[in-house]
Amino acid sequence: GESVGLHLPTLSVQEGDNSIINCAYSNSASDYFIWYKQESGKGPQFIIDIRSNMDKRQGQRVTVLLNKTVKHLSLQIAATQPGDSAVYFCAEIPLSGGYNKLIFGAGTRLAVHP
Amino acid sequence: GAGVSQSPRYKVAKRGQDVALRCDPISGHVSLFWYQQALGQGPEFLTYFQNEAQLDKSGLPSDRFFAERPEGSVSTLKIQRTQQEDSAVYLCASSRVRDPHRPGEQYFGPGTRLTVT
Repeated sequence: GESVGLHLPTLSVQEGDNSIINCAYSNSASDYFIWYKQESGKGPQFIIDIRSNMDKRQGQRVTVLLNKTVKHLSLQIAATQPGDSAVYFCAEIPLSGGYNKLIFGAGTRLAVHP
Repeated sequence: GAGVSQSPRYKVAKRGQDVALRCDPISGHVSLFWYQQALGQGPEFLTYFQNEAQLDKSGLPSDRFFAERPEGSVSTLKIQRTQQEDSAVYLCASSRVRDPHRPGEQYFGPGTRLTVT
């Protein structure tokens, strides 16, 4: 399949370590934030979401943190596995959209080494 | 169950040719989106359908781009007189009616990689 993220920043971690991927968003009026994972040759896959009235949400092995003061979003992956290797994108939904229009940020490639 | 499918997966077109990209959303999904993803970048919104109605086409880069969803299920993105800058992966996504609790849960297809030579 095609290569995604050839020129993206890369985070390299050892298998079993925790990973933290960061994202700065632009629209202070955005109501909703999502993390997507994209493997080579595939479309983005929903991981976890968070509303603007929350600052933390946990899923299975993943945690999303939202800091509205500095417009910063992070994704924490616990006990990173080789299958977590992919490009990760944050996305926001502006309040004015009226529907689910996603605005994607720049991605980060996560490389997990055994 | 079946996810979103797109065809063809790869398309090579000579500059000036017309192309048509197809999206089969998840059955019953009301909302359908097209995104364009350039190499090394995040997807960018092109257009949005709710059933057969195209409610937002603000992301279409030029009048050479046209999308339709005549029966509220399958959608086609057509690009006329392709240019080299049209080379990208074109992603289709679908979702149920707007869910106030999970508005971001769009299901993406694998994309069509278009290369214009």
